[in-house]
Amino acid sequence: GNSVTQMEGPVTLSEEAFLTINCTYTATGYPSLFWYVQYPGEGLQLLLKATKADDKGSNKGFEATYRKETTSFHLEKGSVQVSDSAVYFCALSDQGGGNKLTFGTGTQLKVEL
Amino acid sequence: GAVVSQHPSWVICKSGTSVKIECRSLDFQATTMFWYRQFPKQSLMLMATSNEGSKATYEQGVEKDKFLINHASLTLSTLTVTSAHPEDSSFYICSAFPGQGAKNIQYFGAGTRLSVL
Repeated sequence: GNSVTQMEGPVTLSEEAFLTINCTYTATGYPSLFWYVQYPGEGLQLLLKATKADDKGSNKGFEATYRKETTSFHLEKGSVQVSDSAVYFCALSDQGGGNKLTFGTGTQLKVEL
Repeated sequence: GAVVSQHPSWVICKSGTSVKIECRSLDFQATTMFWYRQFPKQSLMLMATSNEGSKATYEQGVEKDKFLINHASLTLSTLTVTSAHPEDSSFYICSAFPGQGAKNIQYFGAGTRLSVL
């Protein structure tokens, strides 16, 4: 079956530091890959997605590239802000957004001044 | 953007009682709604998928008689935890899918924390 593995947190960074959150996956076929973010007290929001190999998803300074050869979809940001503090979930679905999502365990990010 | 409202956000109940959680898509019609469960420090686990007007499809290991799902309209799905017990205490999250389109993604509610005493 499908599975997603992401690095455990919490990850604590100083403001303006570089961020990487690792995510690897196991799936049959060609899944779509997603990063969701959950701010305190709110629902999950889609941060970015990629639907095929070598696609790069980007949003709000965050980027992730769909690497089929390494089955990875690592999340990166060049300079984090305090407002980026949240829990980040990597996820995949077999076919687009209307199919069930398989999530990683989530990585909590804390950004300090 | 698309908004999904989930109510209540937190509920405490006695063991043996039933609890209903509502999930509404406020500004779009959802062809499909999903119900997830999240344990502390763990991933979201899909419980069931529901389509308007049809029976929900439950994931393996999820008791359909315990977790009743009703998708009565294109904007409302409900999850009823029947005869709740302390082991049912968890964080329940719904999502709604508006159908194939420009974004082709699920939109999530803020979740419901259930505590069973």
